[in-house]
Amino acid sequence: DVVMTQSPLSLPVTLGQPASISCRSSQSLVDSDGNTYLNWFQQRPGQSPRRLIYKVSNRDSGVPDRFSGSGSGTDFTLKISRVEAEDIGVYYCMQGTHWPKTFGQGTKLEIK
Amino acid sequence: EVQLVESGGGLIQPGGSLRLSCAASGFTVSRNHMNWVRQAPGKGLEWVSLIYSGGSTYYADSVRGRFTISRDNSKNTLYLQMNSLRAEDTAVYYCARDPDYSNQFDYWGQGTLVTVSS
Repeated sequence: DVVMTQSPLSLPVTLGQPASISCRSSQSLVDSDGNTYLNWFQQRPGQSPRRLIYKVSNRDSGVPDRFSGSGSGTDFTLKISRVEAEDIGVYYCMQGTHWPKTFGQGTKLEIK
Repeated sequence: EVQLVESGGGLIQPGGSLRLSCAASGFTVSRNHMNWVRQAPGKGLEWVSLIYSGGSTYYADSVRGRFTISRDNSKNTLYLQMNSLRAEDTAVYYCARDPDYSNQFDYWGQGTLVTVSS
């Protein structure tokens, strides 16, 4: 199975400051169709996951533009340009290129 | 509006069986690929099973042979039949939609809790 490794696992951030989460895969996530199936999800406390970013850098409808995704191959990053209180929660990366689909361990974002 | 509503969770003894349902609205289940994902208490997310729109099914190694994914097109509902349940199957189970191969987990349900304990 493809192992997804996120860092850091805990991320204390001051409101209004930027935040960055790294996600590394044990194999390249470039599919035979040329796409890279790397997604990012946010799970607020007590809620179900919500997709933020799909195929590395495509923001979902309704997701604030302070969220951005980047990367290629095996190295990916989720950035929040200015953290707001509503961003508290756990963030997961997920690869959908290889079977089975696998998630990172999660990064808990908290406010300092 | 796309909605997914899971039900059927509860407390079950080890070795028992349970069937989870995921009622969909705002789209047609049979025209999408549908997943089950679970989350053990305080833990991360684990993909469990997928049924393609064409009917092919896939399972995580941890549940293969014990769990069966299916759908009822007339009820627009996805199911997960869980047999021979173990303590390690305790989790919140979510259904999630893939509109197509390149668009994965775009909508999730609110989840249903399964607790396997004697």
